[in-house]
Parts: sequence; C-alpha cells; structure tokens
Amino acid sequence: GDSVTQMEGPVTLSEEAFLTINCTYTATGYPSLFWYVQYPGEGLQLLLKATKADDKGSNKGFEATYRKETTSFHLEKGSVQVSDSAVYFCALSDRYTNAGKSTFGDGTTLTVKP
Amino acid sequence: EAQVTQNPRYLITVTGKKLTVTCSQNMNHEYMSWYRQDPGLGLRQIYYSMNVEVTDKGDVPEGYKVSRKEKRNFPLILESPSPNQTSLYFCASSWLAGENGELFFGEGSRLTVL
Repeated sequence: GDSVTQMEGPVTLSEEAFLTINCTYTATGYPSLFWYVQYPGEGLQLLLKATKADDKGSNKGFEATYRKETTSFHLEKGSVQVSDSAVYFCALSDRYTNAGKSTFGDGTTLTVKP
Repeated sequence: EAQVTQNPRYLITVTGKKLTVTCSQNMNHEYMSWYRQDPGLGLRQIYYSMNVEVTDKGDVPEGYKVSRKEKRNFPLILESPSPNQTSLYFCASSWLAGENGELFFGEGSRLTVL
C-alpha cells in the first residue's frame, strides 16, 4: 500500500538557519502531496501542496517540489523563525487508486531557538 | 467562519463505558474522516466517509464505529473503550478526497481510557 517516510526528529535549529525536512513516498498511482503543520495545542492545517510531478508548492516562505523520479517532496525554508516551531507532517492522497485514504508520515518536530 | 468542530476536547473515561465524539463541519464537504495521533506512530486513519450513508474503514478501524446520517456530522463511537484507545483524535473534512483534496482538521479530542 501507500506509505510516507519522513526524516526523523526532533530537529532543533537557531533562528535564521536553513531548514530541510526530507519526505519520500511510495504509491501505486499518481498521488497529490501535502505538507501539514501542527502548532502546539492545535489541529493540523495545510501548509502547501502539489498535485503533479514537478509542481512546486509554496507558502509562508516554505517550499517543496514534487519529484516523481526520486519519489520525494522535501520541505525547505531559507530562514526559519521561532514562530515556525511546530510538528510538520508530509502526506499523500490518491483519489483515483485509493480514493478516500490519506496517508501521513510520522511527523517531524521542529524547534527554533532565538 | 469555516471550521470543523469536535466535542469533547478532553475526556477521561473508564474501560467499557460507551462514548461518542462528535464532529461537525460547516463547509458542505462531502468527505469526512477520523484519525488518531499517537507518539511515534504519526497520524492513522480510522474511518472515512465519501458522502451521506457511505462509510469505509481506514487503517485502524477496530473498536470504533461511525455513522454519516447528515452531511455535516460524522460522529465517532467507541462502544466499549479500552486503554489502548487512549489517544488524540482528529476529525477532518474535504470537498474531494485525493487530488486537490486539502483536509480541514478539527482542534482534536484528547481521550484517556482508564
């Protein structure tokens, strides 16, 4: 079945450092890929998404590119802030081959220190 | 305001005492789903529903029931809770499953079964 593997955490960075959180996936079809963020005490919310190969999703300074050849969707940010401290989830969803089932990675906890 | 509302947010109960966690969305979404979040295991799908009267099992459905009698509501029922169902539960909804299917999450319900 489908699966998502995320870089293990936790990740601790200093403010203004460069962030990469790795995400690779296995899917039988052509999934859409997502990054969700969970701030402390809150539910998940969409950070960015990409629906086909070579698409780049971006939001709030974060970016991720859908790489079909490497089955990856790595999350990057050039300069992190303390307010970016959260748990980040990579996810996929394939309406056509696995309709209704979204698959999530285990989540990566990011802590940014001033 | 567009939102997914879960109740209760926090609950402590005892083994075997039936409980229901309600979920309601005001965005007219066809798709709704329940997840549980456990440390080290990420987010796992319990049940989902593509529309009224249509429900299907996710990855971890054992011990849970759901119903979808109205489009806006998708309650999660634990007929006889056990300690291994102690977890953080999230309800989510979407216009579409899969492609372009951004999930909107509730704030979560933390359940403890003694």
